[in-house]
Amino acid sequence: GIQVEQSPPDLILQEGANSTLRCNFSDSVNNLQWFHQNPWGQLINLFYIPSGTKQNGRLSATTVATERYSLLYISSSQTTDSGVYFCAVEGRQGGSEKLVFGKGTKLTVNP
Amino acid sequence: DSGVTQTPKHLITATGQRVTLRCSPRSGDLSVYWYQQSLDQGLQFLIQYYNGEERAKGNILERFSAQQFPDLHSELNLSSLELGDSALYFCASSVGQISPLHFGNGTRLTVT
Repeated sequence: GIQVEQSPPDLILQEGANSTLRCNFSDSVNNLQWFHQNPWGQLINLFYIPSGTKQNGRLSATTVATERYSLLYISSSQTTDSGVYFCAVEGRQGGSEKLVFGKGTKLTVNP
Repeated sequence: DSGVTQTPKHLITATGQRVTLRCSPRSGDLSVYWYQQSLDQGLQFLIQYYNGEERAKGNILERFSAQQFPDLHSELNLSSLELGDSALYFCASSVGQISPLHFGNGTRLTVT
């Protein structure tokens, strides 16, 4: 099945800093989503972005499907951005696997 | 609030027992997904239903089963529970087959 790799695994920032999280995937995708899991365990959908670029406030995401990667940008980070960011993909080949999640990037934003 | 409701929030039970987790999807969503999150395995896809029919199956054990009812709510049944089944179980819903997924707050299952 499709493989998803996220980097870096851990990231520590000072409040106000910018960051870029990366998601590499092993096959063509027709579905790619970014999620934020906050310290209370809630999973929040950030972007549905199988290709192209989207922005939502201080967050933006870009997926370059032909090169099999996606980037999540966080600008002017705040302590509330802390948590784990997951990339999830579904391959064009279909099959039994729906959205496959990467292992995540754990972000800690210090005041 | 995602609009996806999961009950109960916490469940503590003993090995060998059976439990049922319940999920109500967002209004208008026809697809329901179940995921298991554990420390060692990460987020694992279990099963998906679309408008009452099973559409995809992932790494779901034979001891586990699920269904989606005519009112679109779903239940995940876990039987002959083992210590290793302790995890956070998430339900998610979406409008269609390939569309943004919205997760409930999860049910934390502890098997003692």
